[in-house]
Amino acid sequence: DVQLVESGGGLVQPGGSLRLSCAASGFTFSSSWMHWVRQAPGKGLVWVSRMDTDGTTTTYADSVKGRFTISRDNAKNTLYLQMNSLTAEDTAVYYCVRAGGGNFDWGQGTLVTVSS
Amino acid sequence: DIVMTQSPDSLAVSLGERATINCKSSQSVLYSSNNKNYLAWYQQKPGQPPKLLIYWASTRESGVPDRFSGSGSGTDFTLTISSLQAEDVAVYYCHQYYNTPLTFGGGTKVEIK
Repeated sequence: DVQLVESGGGLVQPGGSLRLSCAASGFTFSSSWMHWVRQAPGKGLVWVSRMDTDGTTTTYADSVKGRFTISRDNAKNTLYLQMNSLTAEDTAVYYCVRAGGGNFDWGQGTLVTVSS
Repeated sequence: DIVMTQSPDSLAVSLGERATINCKSSQSVLYSSNNKNYLAWYQQKPGQPPKLLIYWASTRESGVPDRFSGSGSGTDFTLTISSLQAEDVAVYYCHQYYNTPLTFGGGTKVEIK
């Protein structure tokens, strides 16, 4: 079974940084495009970023471009999201998502709270 | 960006009755080279991640009850729950993966009448 386990969330002050991780198992991680999607409390789903299989191609939502960096370590089956210059608007549950053949697998998410 | 517009925002249906949710995309999500609609439907319950119900607009994910069905093509899509059960109370989202940024509808809250 596909498993995606996010970690690294928590409380951070405005302007601070945080690095999220997503440990993947149950599928061939190195063959999968991966995404981050977030959901602010009580709000809808918003796509954040994606990376291709070997890290050559990355894409970002305009709202995070220049502040967030997606990366992956295929040897460790892990996806990352480095988040800098955080603001209150970045407060959300962050989901790691695997894209494969038209369907998508989601992790349980990790909560990031930006507050002083 | 492709804008996904869902309707209604909320829906109250009696147990055993049909629930219908609509989703309209601002441009076609039908890829002509493979004739596939890059459209998915999710169910989300409080405190849980979204659960994939339907992809390619009408392909039911493994394990999803057959009372859930998806239809439509191009820009207009529908999720139908043929006979609403108590466990179907949730928020439902449509999602286009035709291009980036991937975008989602605003959600439809389904409740029991």
